[in-house]
Amino acid sequence: DAGVIQSPRHEVTEMGQEVTLRCKPISGHNSLFWYRQTMMRGLELLIYFNNNVPIDDSGMPEDRFSAKMPNASFSTLKIQPSEPRDSAVYFCASSLEGVKETQYFGPGTRLLVL
Amino acid sequence: AQSVTQLDSQVPVFEEAPVELRCNYSSSVSVYLFWYVQYPNQGLQLLLKYLSGSTLVKGINGFEAEFNKSQTSFHLRKPSVHISDTAEYFCAVTSGAAGNKLTFGGGTRVLVKP
Repeated sequence: DAGVIQSPRHEVTEMGQEVTLRCKPISGHNSLFWYRQTMMRGLELLIYFNNNVPIDDSGMPEDRFSAKMPNASFSTLKIQPSEPRDSAVYFCASSLEGVKETQYFGPGTRLLVL
Repeated sequence: AQSVTQLDSQVPVFEEAPVELRCNYSSSVSVYLFWYVQYPNQGLQLLLKYLSGSTLVKGINGFEAEFNKSQTSFHLRKPSVHISDTAEYFCAVTSGAAGNKLTFGGGTRVLVKP
């Protein structure tokens, strides 16, 4: 079992550039979550999908952030244009659908925007 | 709305000593409660969860937690810690009213000293 796969693991970019983070959920899982973790704000849910459909995007900071899930095995989180305050660790997690289900987290993408 | 408060941001503890991490939640409906652990530079992984039934829940690595509905608490304990328990611990709650969206506490950083 490969677990949740995220790429890249580290990203350094300059302000104004587009950043795309990628996630492959565990096979068979139909819920997918994107989180952001910073020292100041802790762990924040940005958006989650059930069966490839966005259910709650209330945590997406602003229009510069967008997320897609074109199929059950792939999701992207895009930041355009990026800003220094976007520097954080971004986690993807997946689970079976249902409130009692365990979320399985990927290793995260550490993003630094200069 | 649901929320989680972890009362201690940092807990230093000596090896082989007991540790208790406090978690209080607020929710207007029945809840499901989780404890996750994050080792340095890794994603979160589940320690244990309370769904129903016995209020004492046993998890991995010798951890256990007790659900107390009257005090709206879900404190995590381990009778004897190891150096390898150095990590950050997150309490989380969901009620189902918010879909399968988890609300996380701010985390408690445990530093085990030799």
